[in-house]
Amino acid sequence: AQTVTQSQPEMSVQEAETVTLSCTYDTSESDYYLFWYKQPPSRQMILVIRQEAYKQQNATENRFSVNFQKAAKSFSLKISDSQLGDAAMYFCAYLFQGAQKLVFGQGTRLTINP
Amino acid sequence: SAVISQKPSRDICQRGTSLTIQCQVDSQVTMMFWYRQQPGQSLTLIATANQGSEATYESGFVIDKFPISRPNLTFSTLTVSNMSPEDSSIYLCSVGGRSGYRTDTQYFGPGTRLTVL
Repeated sequence: AQTVTQSQPEMSVQEAETVTLSCTYDTSESDYYLFWYKQPPSRQMILVIRQEAYKQQNATENRFSVNFQKAAKSFSLKISDSQLGDAAMYFCAYLFQGAQKLVFGQGTRLTINP
Repeated sequence: SAVISQKPSRDICQRGTSLTIQCQVDSQVTMMFWYRQQPGQSLTLIATANQGSEATYESGFVIDKFPISRPNLTFSTLTVSNMSPEDSSIYLCSVGGRSGYRTDTQYFGPGTRLTVL
């Protein structure tokens, strides 16, 4: 069974600095997708970034980028120029191509210090 | 991304009662899902809501406790039946496969915070 592990329950960063959130996953599949979702106190799950496993190029979305290491089964999220609005729970998630079940990690709570 | 709404946004209920949560999407989608997020926990898939047929439940979730309907491609309901305090959670619907959009990405509604006394 696929599993997703986020080893950092909490992280904090100074405003305008850069922070990296870690995620590892376990799968025997070769075609899959990886996601980072953000959940602020409003509880809305917001898609931050997605990565197709067959693409070697790391995905980027403005200040958010990933470091995807397929062989190591690692998928970290880098947030540059951190802003107060980035404070939230961040969940890493896996989706096997052809299946529809998202498997989530346990989440990392990110605090931004002004 | 799709515009997804959920009703109610929150509720406080007495044990033994039932609550029906609605999920409405602004356009037709192929897939709709229901997740549960217990306090301080991650998300767990309850079931896939299938249009025109019975929902597909994940291990540990049963139809008698969480009946689901999906009468069309834009609407679904989840009922939490015979509630106990252990059912206190956030319930989220998600959608995937919006026409013209990728089928491999799920977008979430705002969630329903349920407290059972």
